[in-house]
Amino acid sequence: NAGVMQNPRHLVRRRGQEARLRCSPMKGHSHVYWYRQLPEEGLKFMVYLQKENIIDESGMPKERFSAEFPKEGPSILRIQQVVRGDSAAYFCASSPGMGGLQPQHFGDGTRLSIL
Amino acid sequence: GENVEQHPSTLSVQEGDSAVIKCTYSDSASNYFPWYKQELGKRPQLIIDIRSNVGEKKDQRIAVTLNKTAKHFSLHITETQPEDSAVYFCAASKEDTDKLIFGTGTRLQVFP
Repeated sequence: NAGVMQNPRHLVRRRGQEARLRCSPMKGHSHVYWYRQLPEEGLKFMVYLQKENIIDESGMPKERFSAEFPKEGPSILRIQQVVRGDSAAYFCASSPGMGGLQPQHFGDGTRLSIL
Repeated sequence: GENVEQHPSTLSVQEGDSAVIKCTYSDSASNYFPWYKQELGKRPQLIIDIRSNVGEKKDQRIAVTLNKTAKHFSLHITETQPEDSAVYFCAASKEDTDKLIFGTGTRLQVFP
């Protein structure tokens, strides 16, 4: 029973390039959440998605960042024209979404480094 | 917006002693409070959670207490072991948003 799968584990980009981070939720989970963790800090909520719907993007910067969770395939967090400040660990979590508050289980994260 | 404060930021204990980490939340509508353990370079792992309809929950050496009136909740680890060393995060959530608001973390070190 595979857990939340994220790839790549490490991603290096130069300033101005695009970064694409992928997340496949646990089997049977239909809700996906993205969080960002700066070094030595806590996790900050970015966006909450269900299949083909963005439910809450209140934590995501308005510019350069976008997220999707298509009907088929993984959820994608996309960062355009990356800057040094985007360097962080990006974690994806998933939950069953069966109604009521369900535990969120995290993937191993993608560590993004901007040169 | 919702805010979660967590104390202490670092905690050192001797093996076998107890450790207590405290969190305070600001939104009285919050009704779900998980705790995560994160080892260096690893994913946050859910270790215990509590909902607002109960005041205490226990799982072996770990317990969580919730005081809704005071809006604070605590993690208690008894008989600590060196493998308990990690960063612990509390979080709060409410039903209409589902997003987790995390505390700033507590680095626990258990010395043999």
